[in-house]
Amino acid sequence: EVHLLESGGGFVQPGGSLRLSCAVSGFTFTNYAMSWVRQAPGKGLEWVSGISGSGRYTSYADSVKGRFTISRDISRNTLYLQMNSLRAEDTAVYHCVKGNSSAWSGLMDVWGKGTTVTVSS
Amino acid sequence: DIQMTQSPSTLSASVGDRVTITCRASQSISNWLAWYQQKPGKAPHLLIYKASSLESGVPSRFSGSGSGTEFTLTISSLQPDDFGTYYCQQYNLYSTFGQGTKVEIK
Repeated sequence: EVHLLESGGGFVQPGGSLRLSCAVSGFTFTNYAMSWVRQAPGKGLEWVSGISGSGRYTSYADSVKGRFTISRDISRNTLYLQMNSLRAEDTAVYHCVKGNSSAWSGLMDVWGKGTTVTVSS
Repeated sequence: DIQMTQSPSTLSASVGDRVTITCRASQSISNWLAWYQQKPGKAPHLLIYKASSLESGVPSRFSGSGSGTEFTLTISSLQPDDFGTYYCQQYNLYSTFGQGTKVEIK
């Protein structure tokens, strides 16, 4: 069974940094693209970033480009999201999501429960 | 950027009703569209991909149709467990979600 377990969320001041982690199990990590999707309180879903199975291809939403970096550690079966220069509008639950192929297509078939990031002074 | 617009924003229906949710894309996305269900406090769950393909394990009362810019999600006979918020998502160019449709059971 596929499991995605996010961690690393918390409270941070504007301008600060956080690194989110997502430990995966139940599938061959390198065979699937991964994504981060966030949901602000009471709001809808917003795709944040994606990475191919090999890790060679990454993509970002305009709202986070230049501030966030997605990466994956194959030896640890872990996905990361390094978030810098955080803003109040980055406050959200961040979900780790598995893709349906090694090439990042945007389709997401299994979601983690998420980790909460709060950016406030 | 491709914008996705869902309608209605909220709907209330009775058990057994046929329910239809519409999703419109700001430009053609071929059939690169998915539908997700999210229940309060839970992660979203994939229902439909490639506009009309049913994800494994999803009840057959759910169906999707459309191509280009107009898409629909239909629940043929609404069940008590179908409450929640439904999102469409385009994955033709990066990824964009609709604003969601909240389904309530009367």
